[in-house]
Amino acid sequence: EAGVVQSPRYKIIEKKQPVAFWCNPISGHNTLYWYLQNLGQGPELLIRYENEEAVDDSQLPKDRFSAERLKGVDSTLKIQPAELGDSAVYLCASSSTALEELFFGEGSRLTVL
Amino acid sequence: DAKTTQPNSMESNEEEPVHLPCNHSTISGTDYIHWYRQLPSQGPEYVIHGLTSNVNNRMASLAIAEDRKSSTLILHRATLRDAAVYYCILRDVEWLSNNDMRFGAGTRLTVKP
Repeated sequence: EAGVVQSPRYKIIEKKQPVAFWCNPISGHNTLYWYLQNLGQGPELLIRYENEEAVDDSQLPKDRFSAERLKGVDSTLKIQPAELGDSAVYLCASSSTALEELFFGEGSRLTVL
Repeated sequence: DAKTTQPNSMESNEEEPVHLPCNHSTISGTDYIHWYRQLPSQGPEYVIHGLTSNVNNRMASLAIAEDRKSSTLILHRATLRDAAVYYCILRDVEWLSNNDMRFGAGTRLTVKP
């Protein structure tokens, strides 16, 4: 069974440019998470979806970050415009239900120059 | 919401047991204790979880104090591949709050050959 798939694995952009990350969760998983991880720190939750509904987006910086999960399957996280401080690894995870174990993708590493 | 406290780092010798502590003095009766680990350049992966009784699986054992205010993740024979950051997380099974699945800084385990 395929795991959580994220793309791109690496992205380098200049500040003020837009960037998007894509996540394909494990088939049948209803809950999807986006995390941000800075170097040397633990992952920080950005948003949690139950099917297509964002049920926890309290930590998402809504002025520049947006996310969507159309049809309750794949999800996209967008940053527009990117700032230098957005350089980090963006992790996607999914679980079959809200309280089951999370399965993480390998992450998308963003470098903003 | 209940918080956890872990040492920043620990060292172990290969093939020796490792005991990773976690303090959660404000744990509630419905909080499960979950452990995840993050290998270098990978997303976190689930290790084990428990409520009151000690738990064993193929990866590790979880020992939970009688008052549940602390727990210990036990790796019975550490290998070099166990070098990772280990996260202890509380999850309330009856109330899926907006603080669910929040990672702290974790414990960085170094395994020496």
